[in-house]
Amino acid sequence: AQTVTQSQPEMSVQEAETVTLSCTYDTSENNYYLFWYKQPPSRQMILVIRQEAYKQQNATENRFSVNFQKAAKSFSLKISDSQLGDTAMYFCAFMKRLNRDDKIIFGKGTRLHILP
Amino acid sequence: EPEVTQTPSHQVTQMGQEVILRCVPISNHLYFYWYRQILGQKVEFLVSFYNNEISEKSEIFDDQFSVERPDGSNFTLKIRSTKLEDSAMYFCASNGGAGTGELFFGEGSRLTVL
Repeated sequence: AQTVTQSQPEMSVQEAETVTLSCTYDTSENNYYLFWYKQPPSRQMILVIRQEAYKQQNATENRFSVNFQKAAKSFSLKISDSQLGDTAMYFCAFMKRLNRDDKIIFGKGTRLHILP
Repeated sequence: EPEVTQTPSHQVTQMGQEVILRCVPISNHLYFYWYRQILGQKVEFLVSFYNNEISEKSEIFDDQFSVERPDGSNFTLKIRSTKLEDSAMYFCASNGGAGTGELFFGEGSRLTVL
């Protein structure tokens, strides 16, 4: 069975700083997706960034980038120039790529506070 | 931009009552999901649904739970006889099946069982 582990329950950084959220996972699959989802106080789960395991290049989306280490099964999220609106719960997630209807498995989340 | 919508946003019910949570997935999506998040805890998979039948369900999804897509647009989660521990946020999600792996989530329905 797949598992996703986020070892940082809560973090705080000053606005404009860079912050890295950690995530490790365990799987015997070779092809899979990894995600970071953001859940602001408004509750909705919003996709921040996605990585396909067969791609060696780390995904980037504006201020958000990942450090994907497949051998180490590590998938950290870096937020550059953090903004107050980045305050949210961040979930690392895993999905097998085998079937289109496969479920996503979430980690326990990291609560991120951006301080003014 | 298309979005997944859920109703109600918050429901309070007495233990033992039946509850139906409703979701309208994105219109051309084919795969549907329910997840649960107990306050302060992780988001847990409940059930996936495709082609009018359950694809997979978790241990949480026992005989008290059921899902259906009654009219081709709504996707509902029914809890027959609610328990205190069913109090949680319930998220609906849909997937277009285009191979992107992305699930689109609704804003959630908060269920409080008294």
